[in-house]
This record gives sequence, structure tokens and C-alpha cells, in this order.
Amino acid sequence: DVKVTQSSRYLVKRTGEKVFLECVQDMDHENMFWYRQDPGLGLRLIYFSYDVKMKEKGDIPEGYSVSREKKERFSLILESASTNQTSMYLCASLSGGQAKNIQYFGAGTRLSVL
Amino acid sequence: GEDVEQSLFLSVREGDSSVINCTYTDSSSTYLYWYKQEPGAGLQLLTYIFSNMDMKQDQRLTVLLNKKDKHLSLRIADTQTGDSAIYFCAERRSGGSYIPTFGRGTSLIVHP
Repeated sequence: DVKVTQSSRYLVKRTGEKVFLECVQDMDHENMFWYRQDPGLGLRLIYFSYDVKMKEKGDIPEGYSVSREKKERFSLILESASTNQTSMYLCASLSGGQAKNIQYFGAGTRLSVL
Repeated sequence: GEDVEQSLFLSVREGDSSVINCTYTDSSSTYLYWYKQEPGAGLQLLTYIFSNMDMKQDQRLTVLLNKKDKHLSLRIADTQTGDSAIYFCAERRSGGSYIPTFGRGTSLIVHP
């Protein structure tokens, strides 16, 4: 089974702090994603990466950056956390070689910024 | 309007059938998916259907696809309290991006 692991289930940070959310997948997938999920808004794509060191902006990249130094790891960085970044963050991976394009998700990190 | 639309809530009685509906706008969509998100967890693929199919059945789940109306539905027979979750419809379009487009999710509430 594909496993996507997010390093923290819950995080509480203060406004202005630099925050790192880590995600690791074990299926050698080329593509990895970061979403945020808010009630009534569904999933919104922040950034994605289709290869090591490659990244593309999603729909809401402002206030975020990402890092992909190794194929299995994709990090989301909040340079200076703000209260409007309080949300559930979901990481996903996807194999580029399959037509079905099934995404596999981590359990999520619930971030509270105070 | 949104690319993929779903109603936000559905409430059913335990033992009844649930039908969750979804409409999409891109007629070139190749695959359509249903993901399930249980409380406090990430999304898990429940089932998918290829665009050349009308129906797919898997135990208690039935997926119906009406390409003419761009309508997808998920029927859960004999709904149980463990089926309470958020269900996301998603489409993958042909060509272009391989990234699925998600609806906002339907919260299914199953009460005794």
C-alpha cells in the first residue's frame, strides 16, 4: 500500500513564526502536492512538484513556499505564519505513469496560528 | 461557476440508501473519482469510473455516470454509521493537467 506520512497531526504556532510541514511518500511517485482544506471551501491547491527541485504554484500560493530536495519528501513552508493560515493541510502524491491518476493522501496536519 | 459542484450536506437514516450527486463542466474528462474523508483523516480513494462507462458497482457502492448531462452520482446501499464522512467528487480532464479537480465535498450524516 502507498503510504503518505505527514510529520505532525496537530501544530500550534504563533503569528510571525516560520513553520515547516513535512511530507514523505514511500512509493517513488514523481508528483507531490500540498492542499489546504477549509470548511465549505473544499481542497485548494497551494503548490505541487512534478520532480525533484521542481515546483509549480497552485491556486493559492501566497504566503507559502515549498522545497523538494529528495523525491520522497515535499515540505511546505510558511515564512511568517498568520492567523488566516489556520487550516487543515493535506499532502498527496501521484504516480506520473498511470492513466488513472489516483492521488494518495496523508492524514493531514491541523495547524493553528495564534 | 465551479468546475465540479456538489451539495454540501446529506442526512440519511441508517439502513437507507444514500445518493450523493456531482456535476462537472468539462465534457473531455477521462476519469471521475469519489474520495472519502473520515473525521480527522486524509482523503482515500473510494472508487473511480472511466468516461466510457455508464455504471460501476462495487459491493454497496454504485457509481452512475451520465456524460450527456455531465452528472456523476454515488449510491451507498444500506448506509451505516461508519459511512458518515465527507465525500469528494473529482474529475481528471484529458490532455493538459493531470491534476484532478475536486468538488467542495458532501458531508454525509447517518443517524439511527
